[in-house]
Amino acid sequence: EDQVTQSPEALRLQEGESSSLNCSYTVSGLRGLFWYRQDPGKGPEFLFTLYSAGEEKEKERLKATLTKKESFLHITAPKPEDSATYLCAAQGGSEKLVFGKGTKLTVNP
Amino acid sequence: GAGVSQSPRYKVAKRGQDVALRCDPISGHVSLFWYQQALGQGPEFLTYFQNEAQLDKSGLPSDRFFAERPEGSVSTLKIQRTQQEDSAVYLCASSLFGTTDTQYFGPGTRLTVL
Repeated sequence: EDQVTQSPEALRLQEGESSSLNCSYTVSGLRGLFWYRQDPGKGPEFLFTLYSAGEEKEKERLKATLTKKESFLHITAPKPEDSATYLCAAQGGSEKLVFGKGTKLTVNP
Repeated sequence: GAGVSQSPRYKVAKRGQDVALRCDPISGHVSLFWYQQALGQGPEFLTYFQNEAQLDKSGLPSDRFFAERPEGSVSTLKIQRTQQEDSAVYLCASSLFGTTDTQYFGPGTRLTVL
């Protein structure tokens, strides 16, 4: 059964304190690994798609990387507006997106 | 341009009532997905349409849940005889072509069953 596990469940950072969020996945025939950001009361907002091990993508203070078993979302010098829940989803042979429970990030000024 | 819209944004139902949730996908998007998100959890797949064809409904939790997309655009998720465990946020997403394209989500409908 396809499975996605995210850690930590919650993370508190000071503004400017860089860190990484982890997404471990077990899927048969990975077709894509997706990162979304979700603010309270809103739907998930697309950030990145990664397709193969070794791939990296960047957007402002965020960088996503992919290995054969994990993906990392690196946040460099975060700001309070980066506070949100970050969701990881894997798509395997079933073509369904399987989401993790998310990491709730709080960045304090 | 306009994103995915959903209505109503909030719905309160008494146990046993039927509800209908609407999704307007991004114009021109072929595929449409429904997810259920419980509090503190990630979204869980319910069903998927390509145009008007429902290609996968394996995530629907019971036969009380029914989805349709008769003209290949707007979709409705119907829940009959609602139960308390149906309380959740129901998210709709659309993608330009198939399942491997990026899915763009709407704001969701928060359903509370009393």
